[in-house]
Amino acid sequence: EPEVTQTPSHQVTQMGQEVILRCVPISNHLYFYWYRQILGQKVEFLVSFYNNEISEKSEIFDDQFSVERPDGSNFTLKIRSTKLEDSAMYFCASSVGLRPQHFGDGTRLSIL
Amino acid sequence: QKEVEQDPGPLSVPEGAIVSLNCTYSNSAFQYFMWYRQYSRKGPELLMYTYSSGNKEDGRFTAQVDKSSKYISLFIRDSQPSDSATYLCAMGDGTGTASKLTFGTGTRLQVTL
Repeated sequence: EPEVTQTPSHQVTQMGQEVILRCVPISNHLYFYWYRQILGQKVEFLVSFYNNEISEKSEIFDDQFSVERPDGSNFTLKIRSTKLEDSAMYFCASSVGLRPQHFGDGTRLSIL
Repeated sequence: QKEVEQDPGPLSVPEGAIVSLNCTYSNSAFQYFMWYRQYSRKGPELLMYTYSSGNKEDGRFTAQVDKSSKYISLFIRDSQPSDSATYLCAMGDGTGTASKLTFGTGTRLQVTL
């Protein structure tokens, strides 16, 4: 069964450094999403992306965040200057239109 | 009032029991509803989804939606130890090009032998 894959599974970085989280969505999906889950809290929407542009973003997704689809298969989330509060699990998801979103297993981001 | 409310549990049941998991929501714009299962340190795994009020059954799982009461449920019959996980309800309003999901906090379920 096709799945969303995310790399790395765990990323440790120093505060203030840039980090890029990578995702390979399911191949025939056209809609892409990033969510995050701070330890012990609910899954929160960050951004959605379709047709090479952002469709919607939450108030969490400020100027420090950006997304890109650099080629036909990858979808990335960049955090320009990480803060301690960016420590969380980051999940990529993809969907076919308004069909249910399928999630990857996440990248655990630890900011030191 | 939170948009989506879900009892965090934990909920502990013996193997073979019927489990009922519930969410309430306040946003009447929500049009489609999902249940995800999340094992520790894994991503949400889609279990059920529905776009209308009523019941939808898939094996041991039944999803129920009551839009008039803004209430959704997931029933698990003949629960197994492998069902032990956190169950997340999620919902979307279907507006916009790529519609976001709003999640509940999740209910942690433990099925004991």
